[in-house]
Amino acid sequence: DAGVIQSPRHEVTEMGQEVTLRCKPISGHNSLFWYRQTMMRGLELLIYFNNNVPIDDSGMPEDRFSAKMPNASFSTLKIQPSEPRDSAVYFCASSLTRTKNIQYFGAGTRLSVL
Amino acid sequence: QKEVEQNSGPLSVPEGAIASLNCTYSDRGSQSFFWYRQYSGKSPELIMFIYSNGDKEDGRFTAQLNKASQYVSLLIRDSQPSDSATYLCAVKNTGRRALTFGSGTRLQVQP
Repeated sequence: DAGVIQSPRHEVTEMGQEVTLRCKPISGHNSLFWYRQTMMRGLELLIYFNNNVPIDDSGMPEDRFSAKMPNASFSTLKIQPSEPRDSAVYFCASSLTRTKNIQYFGAGTRLSVL
Repeated sequence: QKEVEQNSGPLSVPEGAIASLNCTYSDRGSQSFFWYRQYSGKSPELIMFIYSNGDKEDGRFTAQLNKASQYVSLLIRDSQPSDSATYLCAVKNTGRRALTFGSGTRLQVQP
């Protein structure tokens, strides 16, 4: 299995630009999670989906952030407009309910907003 | 109060020693507990999970859970320099599929 695949691995953009992060979960997994990791705040849950439906988006910092999961094999996290404080590593993880919800992480996207 | 607390470290141990990493959590109804290892610049990878009180062993790793004290620990026997990483404790709370992560403990194993 290829694992959770995220793209791009690195993104450098200017303040005000739109940023789209992509994630392909492990085939067959029914839950998908977006996390953000910074030195100051650690690993924070932004949103998670179960069977393509958003279940908890309470971690989404503000309206500039949005996430979609149009099908079981693809999800996006969009930031518009981006700000320097959005600079962080964004991880996507997936899990399967019947295997104790063990989450497997992608390699992450390192976002730098200048 | 943070939901999952860990000492940030660094915890420094000599090669071959036992490293003991600790984690406390606030939700008494928490059901599942996970230890992830994260090397610098890499993503978290699962080391162990535990659901029941007591010990669970896997190779050089032992997870210990005490629900009454709301305490979970990870012991690494015969520590190796390659074990040097940040160890994240994660807890699955009641009614949620998502995990709550601690801030992690940085472990340094000195050759």
